[in-house]
Amino acid sequence: RKEVEQDPGPFNVPEGATVAFNCTYSNSASQSFFWYRQDCRKEPKLLMSVYSSGNEDGRFTAQLNRASQYISLLIRDSKLSDSATYLCVVNDFNKFYFGSGTKLNVKP
Amino acid sequence: SAVISQKPSRDICQRGTSLTIQCQVDSQVTMMFWYRQQPGQSLTLIATANQGSEATYESGFVIDKFPISRPNLTFSTLTVSNMSPEDSSIYLCSAGDRGETQYFGPGTRLLVL
Repeated sequence: RKEVEQDPGPFNVPEGATVAFNCTYSNSASQSFFWYRQDCRKEPKLLMSVYSSGNEDGRFTAQLNRASQYISLLIRDSKLSDSATYLCVVNDFNKFYFGSGTKLNVKP
Repeated sequence: SAVISQKPSRDICQRGTSLTIQCQVDSQVTMMFWYRQQPGQSLTLIATANQGSEATYESGFVIDKFPISRPNLTFSTLTVSNMSPEDSSIYLCSAGDRGETQYFGPGTRLLVL
């Protein structure tokens, strides 16, 4: 079983849509969680950390459900520039495990 | 946040040769890692680069094939040894402090002929 599992997509949405990605992780003792964004032919860049209380950064909201071992990312009012691959990342004792990524295409 | 540079940014190599990739961080960090990313796939952790001691390798990766050095808190190298076409990939260095966010270098694109 993979450490981190994500729906690979692609998610094809129109501009202005709301889209949500989920990610599940296998180790209940995992300590910290992140969403990264990776553009084509670029390195991953941190989008946001994910906290148990949930956190919001502009149009982006991340949630963590420890009981069910899943993490979510909600993007509101999608922009063309949001098109990218979104990677779910889990920290297990200072080893970072990446999901396979969910591809988002925002279309005009 | 840490700023990370890697070199070379890309290379084309002949099978059987070796390539050493350098990773430089602009500040001292506790953790440095090396990843591989095949086209269209996610990142696979190769090893954790430990300062002053041998790297910790993930399953499927061995020191003879991927020797790693980390002489101080800001620098690490990864060597891809005795290369074959299957080693063609993007190699990424990341760095961060224990339990904290990781930041990535721009990657090294390797093509083995």
